[in-house]
Amino acid sequence: QLVESGGGLVQPGGSLRLSCTASGFSFSDYSLIWVRQTPEKGLEWVASINSRSNYIYYAESVKGRFTISRDNAENSLFLQADSLRAEDTALFYCARLALGSNYIELWGLGTLVTVSS
Amino acid sequence: DIQMTQSPSTLSASVGDRVTITCRASQNIDSWLAWYQQKPGRAPNLLIYKASSLQSGVPSRFSGSGSGTDFTLTINNLQPDDFATYYCQQYITYWTFGQGTKVEVK
Repeated sequence: QLVESGGGLVQPGGSLRLSCTASGFSFSDYSLIWVRQTPEKGLEWVASINSRSNYIYYAESVKGRFTISRDNAENSLFLQADSLRAEDTALFYCARLALGSNYIELWGLGTLVTVSS
Repeated sequence: DIQMTQSPSTLSASVGDRVTITCRASQNIDSWLAWYQQKPGRAPNLLIYKASSLQSGVPSRFSGSGSGTDFTLTINNLQPDDFATYYCQQYITYWTFGQGTKVEVK
């Protein structure tokens, strides 16, 4: 399973570090992804990282502000979110991509990020 | 960017009905399409991948079809547990989701 943490209330311009802890599978074998969801915009891919961290991609909406990383020894995925804006308010999910493919086969429970003054 | 458009946005149905949801991609995505079910307060759950492959553990009343730009999710013999929101997603170029189709009780 995947369990996110680190969400909360932050002021515009502030930062948060989201974490996702994995269990029950060989974490280091899988590519991982962050997806966020809002009632207004629905589901939106945020960032992705492959098993060895040498292929990293970001959505245009967060490029330059968010940083995805992972620690395979700790079975953990991270999302450093800086320069947060009101429009970043969302439920953030970490998720696992299927081996050898790019569809999402396992989702975490989600952590809520609220950007507001 | 590849855009995904689902229809309808809301669908009213009864237990036992056959339900069809369509998804259109703004460009050719071959068969790189997945379908997810989401219930309130829960994360999405994978139903179908590669347009028509049923995820392990998903009931056989769910099926997917299509390729290129036009895709369909069909639910045969709708069950009470199936009232939920359904999303399509392309994964040929990054990831893009449809806006969702809510299946509600008629």
